[in-house]
Amino acid sequence: NAGVMQNPRHLVRRRGQEARLRCSPMKGHSHVYWYRQLPEEGLKFMVYLQKENIIDESGMPKERFSAEFPKEGPSILRIQQVVRGDSAAYFCASSPPWRLDDNEQFFGPGTRLTVL
Amino acid sequence: GENVEQHPSTLSVQEGDSAVIKCTYSDSASNYFPWYKQELGKRPQLIIDIRSNVGEKKDQRIAVTLNKTAKHFSLHITETQPEDSAVYFCAASGGTSYGKLTFGQGTILTVHP
Repeated sequence: NAGVMQNPRHLVRRRGQEARLRCSPMKGHSHVYWYRQLPEEGLKFMVYLQKENIIDESGMPKERFSAEFPKEGPSILRIQQVVRGDSAAYFCASSPPWRLDDNEQFFGPGTRLTVL
Repeated sequence: GENVEQHPSTLSVQEGDSAVIKCTYSDSASNYFPWYKQELGKRPQLIIDIRSNVGEKKDQRIAVTLNKTAKHFSLHITETQPEDSAVYFCAASGGTSYGKLTFGQGTILTVHP
C-alpha cells in the first residue's frame, strides 16, 4: 500500500509565476489536508478537502491560493503569482473516511517551493 | 479555534537521560492528540497519539500523558539515544477543529552521545 505521494518534491519559481503542487492520498483515503511549513517553523493548516468538496479552507490566504480534489486524480494546491514569502515546504496528509476527530493523518514527503 | 502551545522550544539532553515536552491546548472539545517527529528535510511521522478517553499511553521508550481538566498533554522519552534527535510537534484535533490538526511550535531535541 503506497503512502501519500506528492510531486514535485522540489519546485523553483520566479516571482509572478504559478505553482501547482499535487498530492495523491493513500489508497482508500478520501480526506486530504494541506499544511504549510515556513523555514524553522511549525506546520500550519491550510485546507481540508474531500472528493469534489472543500470542507474547511480557514487556513488558506484569501488571494492567490486555491485547492481542489477532483473526483478523479490527485488533489492540487495552486498558488498564482507567487511571491518570495510563499517559499516553504507544503505537506499533504490524508486520512480514511470514518471518524475524523481521532484518526491519524498520514503525511506525504512534501513539496519544497522556492521563489526566486 | 484551537490554539496549541508547546514548550520548550529547544531541549538538550545527554544520551540515556529522559526528555519531557509539554503542550497545552485551548479547545476543551478537542479529543485527539498526536505527536509527530520530523527529521531535517523529512516528513512528519507519527510516533504516538492519545485520545481523550485515556490518561496515559506507552510504547516502549515513549509515553504520552493527558490531563483533560488542565488541558495539557506531555511527551516523555526515556533512555534517549542520539537518533532521537529531531524536531517534535504536538497537535490537537476534534471539537471546533474537526478533522484538521492544530500544531504546536515544535521542540528541537538534541541528544548528545
